[in-house]
Amino acid sequence: GAGVSQSPRYKVAKRGQDVALRCDPISGHVSLFWYQQALGQGPEFLTYFQNEAQLDKSGLPSDRFFAERPEGSVSTLKIQRTQQEDSAVYLCASSPRVDGTEAFFGQGTRLTVV
Amino acid sequence: SQQGEEDPQALSIQEGENATMNCSYKTSINNLQWYRQNSGRGLVHLILIRSNEREKHSGRLRVTLDTSKKSSSLLITASRAADTASYFCATDDGTGFQKLVFGTGTRLLVSP
Repeated sequence: GAGVSQSPRYKVAKRGQDVALRCDPISGHVSLFWYQQALGQGPEFLTYFQNEAQLDKSGLPSDRFFAERPEGSVSTLKIQRTQQEDSAVYLCASSPRVDGTEAFFGQGTRLTVV
Repeated sequence: SQQGEEDPQALSIQEGENATMNCSYKTSINNLQWYRQNSGRGLVHLILIRSNEREKHSGRLRVTLDTSKKSSSLLITASRAADTASYFCATDDGTGFQKLVFGTGTRLLVSP
């Protein structure tokens, strides 16, 4: 496809379970971002990759959150020992520009922790 | 987090009317962008305005930027039911880095 693809679209996890969220960016896009969007709020920055390098992970809420992009294309956001406050939509975005402007967003993964 | 504020939080209008939503932000910026989010869908980029620009047009969209007041407005003219969505402004954080700082959003409902 031509857009940013995220999977799964929906994930229900039991508290304490580990989850992995996948993002397939647009081919050739150098910049990749992860955002977390709580219900009724705007997205909040989690982490940024330029190719395979994770240049900013200041938004990751705790050490239970880990992201990787080993070959500079597909990225995975992993959340260990999920908690109820992790319930949110996780958005991935990619941009062909190094400055990350005009990013294209995926449809997101809605994570519900029960 | 450093989210900006948008007002109104919700706006309900009839088709054909204009819709104006405002955004305020906190830090110096290099650019400001507006995004649309339909229910259950991802964010769609609408328009980018740079800090040295005051006004920009794209189709039925008009964006203004006042850096002295740290505010921006988005005007949608001749609205359509399909414009029903949440609208977010997003700024860079002023450090020259790439992460976006989003506002809290305006929920627009356009009734036929």
